[in-house]
Amino acid sequence: RKEVEQDPGPFNVPEGATVAFNCTYSNSASQSFFWYRQDCRKEPKLLMSVYSSGNEDGRFTAQLNRASQYISLLIRDSKLSDSATYLCVVWGGSQGNLIFGKGTKLSVKP
Amino acid sequence: EAGVVQSPRYKIIEKKQPVAFWCNPISGHNTLYWYRQNLGQGPELLIRYENEEAVDDSQLPKDRFSAERLKGVDSTLKIQPAELGDSAVYLCASSSKSGTGIYEQYFGPGTRLTVT
Repeated sequence: RKEVEQDPGPFNVPEGATVAFNCTYSNSASQSFFWYRQDCRKEPKLLMSVYSSGNEDGRFTAQLNRASQYISLLIRDSKLSDSATYLCVVWGGSQGNLIFGKGTKLSVKP
Repeated sequence: EAGVVQSPRYKIIEKKQPVAFWCNPISGHNTLYWYRQNLGQGPELLIRYENEEAVDDSQLPKDRFSAERLKGVDSTLKIQPAELGDSAVYLCASSSKSGTGIYEQYFGPGTRLTVT
């Protein structure tokens, strides 16, 4: 089992749609969780951290379920500019290393 | 504030040739990472530095890859000799630990290596 697994995608949605990405991780000792966004041929950039209580940033909502080792990202009212690959990222703790999922590609169409 | 700087941005070499990548992290970031990203995959860690010390190089193919971070600032990643399978994007990132212990990493634009 891979350490971080994501929906294979790609997700093709119309503008204004709500889309959800799911991610599972294998290391129950993982301590911190993130969603990164990567545009085509660009570097990954931090989108948001994921907290145990769940957190929201505008149209983006991240949830964490430690018992199920599951992370989600919800995007409401999708914009064309949301088109990118979304990477689920887990931090293992004292090692200080981030483990990246393969990413899920989102394409928002007019 | 300047971001992570990498050079070159693109490199095309023939197999068996050497190649080197350079990275300048964000000022004040003591942790530096080198990642390799293959097409359709997420970045995979090659080596992590805390200041000038390589604290995790378990994923670095040591027969052909080497890295250094002199004076705990800039870093160089070298491949010698390069193989066809080394074609990928090599990303450098840096971070500073926040008060909550969450590492937020900032990536450079990467070097796209093509080995022919």
